Amino acid sequence: DVKVTQSSRYLVKRTGEKVFLECVQDMDHENMFWYRQDPGLGLRLIYFSYDVKMKEKGDIPEGYSVSREKKERFSLILESASTNQTSMYLCASSSWAGRTEAFFGQGTRLTVV
Amino acid sequence: DAKTTQPPSMDCAEGRAANLPCNHSTISGNEYVYWYRQIHSQGPQYIIHGLKNNETNEMASLIITEDRKSSTLILPHATLRDTAVYYCIVLSLNRDDKIIFGKGTRLHILP
Repeated sequence: DVKVTQSSRYLVKRTGEKVFLECVQDMDHENMFWYRQDPGLGLRLIYFSYDVKMKEKGDIPEGYSVSREKKERFSLILESASTNQTSMYLCASSSWAGRTEAFFGQGTRLTVV
Repeated sequence: DAKTTQPPSMDCAEGRAANLPCNHSTISGNEYVYWYRQIHSQGPQYIIHGLKNNETNEMASLIITEDRKSSTLILPHATLRDTAVYYCIVLSLNRDDKIIFGKGTRLHILP
């Protein structure tokens, strides 16, 4: 069974903390994505990576960075968490951007207090 | 920005066919039409995709107009479990093409 696993389902962090959200896929996919989802705003792309050590900004990269040192793992980093980063974060992977379907993790609900 | 336009919400009676429209008037020749859905509290799930021919799988049918500027996702016999937000996405085969979601259509299946 294909799987995209996010390290935490729920997370509570304090303002100013450095936060790491981890995503691991076991399908040998080249592409990995990080989205955030907020009520009324839909799914918005933060960053994506189409290869190891490669990254590209999505629509809302401000306040975030990413790391992809291994093909199966894509980390989202909040350098200094702020309350406006409270959101649901979703990770996805796909074999090609458009050749096959993308598979999503179950999401991490992050609350910054 | 998303390259598609969808109605924000639709209702459909249980057991009837649900027809979800999507406009993608700026689609280019190498771009496919993908459909995903997101059931509450879950990650999006792939449904179907196509280039220019109509496609059918065990979940749904996809009808793409001849000019490819719009498409319709058909759920032939909607059930309450089909209540979800449905996203239409346009995507090329280029490896660095980003999967960009619009706001989708919230489909309510009425008992």
